[in-house]
Amino acid sequence: EAGVAQSPRYKIIEKRQSVAFWCNPISGHATLYWYQQILGQGPKLLIQFQNNGVVDDSQLPKDRFSAERLKGVDSTLKIQPAKLEDSAVYLCASSLGPLAGVDTQYFGPGTRLTVL
Amino acid sequence: AQSVAQPEDQVNVAEGNPLTVKCTYSVSGNPYLFWYVQYPNRGLQFLLKYITGDNLVKGSYGFEAEFNKSQTSFHLKKPSALVSDSALYFCAVSPNNNDMRFGAGTRLTVKP
Repeated sequence: EAGVAQSPRYKIIEKRQSVAFWCNPISGHATLYWYQQILGQGPKLLIQFQNNGVVDDSQLPKDRFSAERLKGVDSTLKIQPAKLEDSAVYLCASSLGPLAGVDTQYFGPGTRLTVL
Repeated sequence: AQSVAQPEDQVNVAEGNPLTVKCTYSVSGNPYLFWYVQYPNRGLQFLLKYITGDNLVKGSYGFEAEFNKSQTSFHLKKPSALVSDSALYFCAVSPNNNDMRFGAGTRLTVKP
């Protein structure tokens, strides 16, 4: 079974530039998550999708971050414009969804973003 | 508000010795608890989870964790550590199956 795919793996940009990350979840997984992991910290949930609808985006800085999952499969996370403090690893995870009971999340390898 | 604490930034053990990585939690509602491991330049890998029932949960790679409701703890254990167990370990809580919160992580180093 293929895991969660993310691209790119690494990205370096200058502040005020824009960047986008892509995630392809495990086939059949209805729920998709984006996390931000700053060095030395645990992952912090940014947004959670159930199919193509947003379940929780309470911790997403909406003035600069946006995410979509138009067809309920792939997802993109965008930052526009980027700030120095956005330097982090952005992790995508997926899970079966609420019908699976207490859900286990499976993570992709992450995208390491460096903002200069 | 729900939170997870991993009181040790670093744990060092000798190969073959038992290991414990500590985790305590604070949550309202049912505490669904998880352990994940992260190897360098890789995403988090699921180890085990506690939902209900037996307080001792067995997971991948010989790891197990003990849920203690009175102490609000969910410590990760392994009877005999391997050098290959060296990694970053994260405890997480998902109250009522939503809004997973992760601890800051504990770096485990197993020395030959």
